[in-house]
Amino acid sequence: GAVVSQHPSWVICKSGTSVKIECRSLDFQATTMFWYRQFPKQSLMLMATSNEGSKATYEQGVEKDKFLINHASLTLSTLTVTSAHPEDSSFYICSAPGGQGFNEQYFGPGTRLTVT
Amino acid sequence: GENVEQHPSTLSVQEGDSAVIKCTYSDSASNYFPWYKQELGKRPQLIIDIRSNVGEKKDQRIAVTLNKTAKHFSLHITETQPEDSAVYFCAASRDSGNTPLVFGKGTRLSVIA
Repeated sequence: GAVVSQHPSWVICKSGTSVKIECRSLDFQATTMFWYRQFPKQSLMLMATSNEGSKATYEQGVEKDKFLINHASLTLSTLTVTSAHPEDSSFYICSAPGGQGFNEQYFGPGTRLTVT
Repeated sequence: GENVEQHPSTLSVQEGDSAVIKCTYSDSASNYFPWYKQELGKRPQLIIDIRSNVGEKKDQRIAVTLNKTAKHFSLHITETQPEDSAVYFCAASRDSGNTPLVFGKGTRLSVIA
């Protein structure tokens, strides 16, 4: 149980285009999901907290108009990188709290985005 | 907000020796401290966690200790094996699930056969 999936696992796009990444909780409901970004050889940095049925909360320095988050159901959150640029190339990982008492974070497998 | 410092950034040990990674945190309200192992291109994998009402927890070759007064926690791996080679991250949060994790910068562990 407690599986989180992401799609796509990797994507290459051209500069200026938009890319949508999906994060799904497969066997549990998640009113909250978290989006992290990880640059090569660096740690995971929280980008935003996705809240089902309400607006996402963004961390300082993360442009909400560039990284659009939609959490339209209890099992799906999407991150859209708009007008992507090469500096947006990174590993994007989502997570959701689950388990008994929501006492653990379950991570998706990540999405490798390369912007050319 | 929370700040997590992790040391060392790289660690090389001989197979069979022990490895210790240390983290400090700043938010006294943090009460959940997981450790993750991450292999290249993959998701972080939870290897052990500890909550603030416990001082030490052990799972086979892996143990974690927590000192809330000093605001630091450590990961101990005994009898290291080559397959333990990976990047390890500590993290902290105020709540065990519904709040986001703040990660340390990571430790690249190399176990030399």
